[in-house]
Amino acid sequence: AQSVAQPEDQVNVAEGNPLTVKCTYSVSGNPYLFWYVQYPNRGLQFLLKYITGDNLVKGSYGFEAEFNKSQTSFHLKKPSALVSDSALYFCAVRAPSGNTPLVFGKGTRLSVIA
Amino acid sequence: EAEVAQSPRYKITEKSQAVAFWCDPISGHATLYWYRQILGQGPELLVQFQDESVVDDSQLPKDRFSAERLKGVDSTLKIQPAELGDSAMYLCASSPGGGSTDTQYFGPGTRLTVL
Repeated sequence: AQSVAQPEDQVNVAEGNPLTVKCTYSVSGNPYLFWYVQYPNRGLQFLLKYITGDNLVKGSYGFEAEFNKSQTSFHLKKPSALVSDSALYFCAVRAPSGNTPLVFGKGTRLSVIA
Repeated sequence: EAEVAQSPRYKITEKSQAVAFWCDPISGHATLYWYRQILGQGPELLVQFQDESVVDDSQLPKDRFSAERLKGVDSTLKIQPAELGDSAMYLCASSPGGGSTDTQYFGPGTRLTVL
């Protein structure tokens, strides 16, 4: 069965600095990987996904993520953090075969400090 | 931009009562998902519909939970009777198809509190 680990419960970064939110995964076969963001008392908003091709994926609001097959990682990055980026970030993985569910990590809370 | 609609946004109930949540997916989306998100956790799939058919309900506690999507459009999730442990955010999502590469788009959720 597939699984996702987000090793950091909380990430703090100063506004204007680069940010990284870490994600590692476990799945049989080539993974389909997703990042979502959740603001307080709201649903999840889609940021980006990796299906195949270029390992660097660009998404909404200036976010990007790098797929690293050898390290089974899909870290979320942004060159310059904004206070408005403060939210809860979820990494998710889906196996390529069969009707398998989208499996989410526990989430990482990002706090950008002005 | 089209969005997934859910109601109510908040629901407070007493244990042993019945509750129901409603979801209207993005128009034209064939696949509809219900997730439960416990505080401090990621969402977990409860049930997936393809049109009006259930594709996956393996994690749905069927002794108390039921879900339907009678006309293949909107959907209702019901809990009867509610238990204290059911307190959570219930999220609905939809996607154009049911493929593994499809992006799922989420509604704002229903926050359930069981007293």
